[in-house]
Amino acid sequence: DGGITQSPKYLFRKEGQNVTLSCEQNLNHDAMYWYRQDPGQGLRLIYYSQIVNDFQKGDIAEGYSVSREKKESFPLTVTSAQKNPTAFYLCASSMTGRGQGAPNYGYTFGSGTRLTVV
Amino acid sequence: AQKITQTQPGMFVQEKEAVTLDCTYDTSDPSYGLFWYKQPSSGEMIFLIYQGSYDQQNATEGRYSLNFQKARKSANLVISASQLGDSAMYFCAMREPGSARQLTFGSGTQLTVLP
Repeated sequence: DGGITQSPKYLFRKEGQNVTLSCEQNLNHDAMYWYRQDPGQGLRLIYYSQIVNDFQKGDIAEGYSVSREKKESFPLTVTSAQKNPTAFYLCASSMTGRGQGAPNYGYTFGSGTRLTVV
Repeated sequence: AQKITQTQPGMFVQEKEAVTLDCTYDTSDPSYGLFWYKQPSSGEMIFLIYQGSYDQQNATEGRYSLNFQKARKSANLVISASQLGDSAMYFCAMREPGSARQLTFGSGTQLTVLP
């Protein structure tokens, strides 16, 4: 079955440490996204990528970095510069496309990674 | 300015009753798509329903329907015959054409179904 896989499900980070969250999809989607969600809050966009070897900053990119070397993979690194990294991180993918009509390309989400600073 | 507004941070509904979750949106583009997602306490995001801006009829998917009022720019989610398993966070989202083609999410509504 096609889908999007995030790992690990739970991650603990020590102060000053970089950690990398994995996101892999086999849906042949061009676009991939990373969101951060704090308790009881909505989703905030960290980074997104529409094509291999290209990505753009979202609304809260500071303290995070990404790479897109393969279409299937979009790992997120939470660097030591991110002062408050404890949150739930969601990865998503979607088709992109142009043409007429309303864009009906929703997201497929991974199951998320809960990151905690210890 | 907020593109997607969900004004109900929390809602309660009795089991087996219907409930409406509000969503208003803001866009100047005639082509757009509206989505609703459900997020249970496990954290996964589950797609519920989609409405395109050119669709003449309101979208329906089982117990979910979307009350689409284009002139008012509202896209309310109606859940009929609520079940305990419907307790979750619900997000409204919009997609506009353009190079980024991202979804813009609202802040969510926490729905609690009471037995």
